Amino acid sequence: AQKITQTQPGMFVQEKEAVTLDCTYDTSDQSYGLFWYKQPSSGEMIFLIYQGSYDEQNATEGRYSLNFQKARKSANLVISASQLGDSAMYFCAMMISGYSTLTFGKGTMLLVSP
Amino acid sequence: ETGVTQTPRHLVMGMTNKKSLKCEQHLGHNAMYWYKQSAKKPLELMFVYSLEERVENNSVPSRFSPECPNSSHLFLHLHTLQPEDSALYLCASSQTNKGHEEAFFGQGTRLTVV
Repeated sequence: AQKITQTQPGMFVQEKEAVTLDCTYDTSDQSYGLFWYKQPSSGEMIFLIYQGSYDEQNATEGRYSLNFQKARKSANLVISASQLGDSAMYFCAMMISGYSTLTFGKGTMLLVSP
Repeated sequence: ETGVTQTPRHLVMGMTNKKSLKCEQHLGHNAMYWYKQSAKKPLELMFVYSLEERVENNSVPSRFSPECPNSSHLFLHLHTLQPEDSALYLCASSQTNKGHEEAFFGQGTRLTVV
């Protein structure tokens, strides 16, 4: 079975600072994908970034980067230069190659202050 | 038009009522999903449809009944629900259900069972 652990229920950061949201995962499969989603108060889940288990480079998408450490089974999300609009719930998720199930963590609430 | 649209956004129903949640995707995807998001719990996958065929049913009680009449529409029929079924119900779609493609989510239906 797959499991995603997000140990930070809430994080606070000041505007323009960088923040790291932690995610560890557990799987015995070799081929999998890791995702980060943002959920603002409106409820919609917004895809942010993807990392494949065989990708050698860490994924980056604008201000988002994924710090992928395969040996430690961690996939932390780094948001550079935080903005007020970044305040939301952030979910780490995993999908095993060949299966349809996307397993989510419990999420981290990020609050960005002026 | 947004990619994935869910209606209604909010629903309050009694335990003896019958109601339906609707999801529509305009992305040309051929896989659609229902997720349940309860407070302080990870998102739970409920159903997966691929090419209009149900491919996964995650031990969901029979009071939840999905329907996928075509690749663009997905319904969740509700009857004789319990108060613990109150949650945010999220619909998602993806290009396939066998790869690492990101899922696109709707804004969800906030369901309250009284």
